[in-house]
Amino acid sequence: NAGVTQTPKFQVLKTGQSMTLQCAQDMNHNSMYWYRQDPGMGLRLIYYSASEGTTDKGEVPNGYNVSRLNKREFSLRLESAAPSQTSVYFCASSLVARGGGETQYFGPGTRLLVL
Amino acid sequence: SQKIEQNSEALNIQEGKTATLTCNYTNYSPAYLQWYRQDPGRGPVFLLLIRENEKEKRKERLKVTFDTTLKQSLFHITASQPADSATYLCALPNTGGFKTIFGAGTRLFVKA
Repeated sequence: NAGVTQTPKFQVLKTGQSMTLQCAQDMNHNSMYWYRQDPGMGLRLIYYSASEGTTDKGEVPNGYNVSRLNKREFSLRLESAAPSQTSVYFCASSLVARGGGETQYFGPGTRLLVL
Repeated sequence: SQKIEQNSEALNIQEGKTATLTCNYTNYSPAYLQWYRQDPGRGPVFLLLIRENEKEKRKERLKVTFDTTLKQSLFHITASQPADSATYLCALPNTGGFKTIFGAGTRLFVKA
């Protein structure tokens, strides 16, 4: 199993350009997430999808859109990139543990620089 | 609002010693707490989950405690090794029980 995969690994954009970050998981998890990680601020949730066909906003959704294409794939789109969106983006999927508790499995991340 | 606090200062210890990292939280009573490890340039990796009715949980050289009165979890690595050097993140479920809140993490350096 590849786990959670993300593409691209690195991307440089100019302000105003658009791009889509791709994420796929092969663990048959229902829930998927997009986070951004900035120095000293920890992981912040952008959007999540509890199941195929549903998406919900997280803590910092402005400037982003998502698509849950099917159970495996969850993409994040930046319509008009801004320098404030320079960050490392992580996709994750989750499994509910026996007895409760949701454990997340993360991809390797996409490093995005917006000039 | 809910808040997770982890020591932002890096922890430097000598190989073989026990590393202890702290996670404090405010404004809520989570049903469980998790610890993750993150290496530079990589995504976080799940280590341990401890539930509110568990005082302590162990996995190999790792031990986690969960004090719901103090609103604190301690993460211990015994007989630490240079390979344990990483950032360790504390995570809690949001009040909705679905979304997870992550602390900013504490960087651990283990010197040989």
